[in-house]
Amino acid sequence: EAGVTQFPSHSVIEKGQTVTLRCDPISGHDNLYWYRRVMGKEIKFLLHFVKESKQDESGMPNNRFLAERTGGTYSTLKVQPAELEDSGVYFCASSLQGSNEKLFFGSGTQLSVL
Amino acid sequence: QKEVEQNSGPLSVPEGAIASLNCTYSDRGSQSFFWYRQYSGKSPELIMFIYSNGDKEDGRFTAQLNKASQYVSLLIRDSQPSDSATYLCAVTHRFGNEKLTFGTGTRLTIIP
Repeated sequence: EAGVTQFPSHSVIEKGQTVTLRCDPISGHDNLYWYRRVMGKEIKFLLHFVKESKQDESGMPNNRFLAERTGGTYSTLKVQPAELEDSGVYFCASSLQGSNEKLFFGSGTQLSVL
Repeated sequence: QKEVEQNSGPLSVPEGAIASLNCTYSDRGSQSFFWYRQYSGKSPELIMFIYSNGDKEDGRFTAQLNKASQYVSLLIRDSQPSDSATYLCAVTHRFGNEKLTFGTGTRLTIIP
């Protein structure tokens, strides 16, 4: 069974550009989460989808970040325009309904904004 | 004050010894506690979760929870070089599906 897949694994962009990160959760997982780790800091929650609905987006830093999950399958996280402080590793995770103890993480996208 | 605190390490432990990793949390309402292992450049991988006060054992790993002291720990017995990784403590504020609040992690090195 395929795990959580994230694409790209690395992205280097200039300040002001747009970047879109993609996450393919494990098939059948209704819950999809985005997290971010800025260098030297802890992994922080960004938002949570249940199927195609945003359950909790309290961790989204500002309106330059837009997350979508059309059809309740894969999700995208767009940063537009990117700023230097957006650099970090963006993790996606997925789980079945009602099972936080079976949360699976992807390998992350390393985003560098220059 | 950070919500979840961990000593960043590095923590060095001889092979075969017991590695002890500690975590404190500030929110008394926290309900679920998790330990993740993360190898460099890889995804966090769940090792243990614990909900109730006391010990929970799984193979070489034991999680210990003390809600009165707001303290959770992970013991690794018979440490192996393959246990060298960063260990992340995480909590949620209720059971079921909810966002995890992570500590910064403790880097553990097992010395052969």
